Amino acid sequence: ETGVTQTPRHLVMGMTNKKSLKCEQHLGHNAMYWYKQSAKKPLELMFVYSLEERVENNSVPSRFSPECPNSSHLFLHLHTLQPEDSALYLCASSQGTGGYEQYFGPGTRLTVT
Amino acid sequence: SQQGEEDPQALSIQEGENATMNCSYKTSINNLQWYRQNSGRGLVHLILIRSNEREKHSGRLRVTLDTSKKSSSLLITASRAADTASYFCATDAMDSNYQLIWGAGTKLIIKP
Repeated sequence: ETGVTQTPRHLVMGMTNKKSLKCEQHLGHNAMYWYKQSAKKPLELMFVYSLEERVENNSVPSRFSPECPNSSHLFLHLHTLQPEDSALYLCASSQGTGGYEQYFGPGTRLTVT
Repeated sequence: SQQGEEDPQALSIQEGENATMNCSYKTSINNLQWYRQNSGRGLVHLILIRSNEREKHSGRLRVTLDTSKKSSSLLITASRAADTASYFCATDAMDSNYQLIWGAGTKLIIKP
């Protein structure tokens, strides 16, 4: 256990659905991240939050909407996704932003049909 | 192009042998990190080496860093079946405030 939990672990959704991914960290960290991992591609950083404030948004389509209500919780709201959005979505946390080691959750395997 | 690039993309060895993976990067860094990912799971941090360090050990892991060549290597000695996983390097680039730059990973298979 890394101290970072994600739910659900698997999600299948149609292109017109709205769903949310949840991440919780129990490590007292100040930074949280959403990553997308597709087959044979490097990890893609989507969003970074530091002390509940979004500090990075790497040109992610608006159909992905993050929310960080407090430093322990991070959500990724999904709506009108495309099949190419099918991937493993990973949440991570770290003591601070920048070069700190990151602790990852187990991921949510998302399939868009 | 991506900052970290692992080499080889895939490696298959017999249990008990040593496994070496390499990572190259392009810009100056503060540190370089190695992570392991078991199939379809989250990544686990293995080791962090700072730009002023040349070598670091952790159990059966040995990491080297050559900043003049902008490269790092991860050596796993006396490999075990449980070492089967993908291994990623990530760099904390000096010109990047918030993010690590990731490579595409090396897939390591340990044959019993």
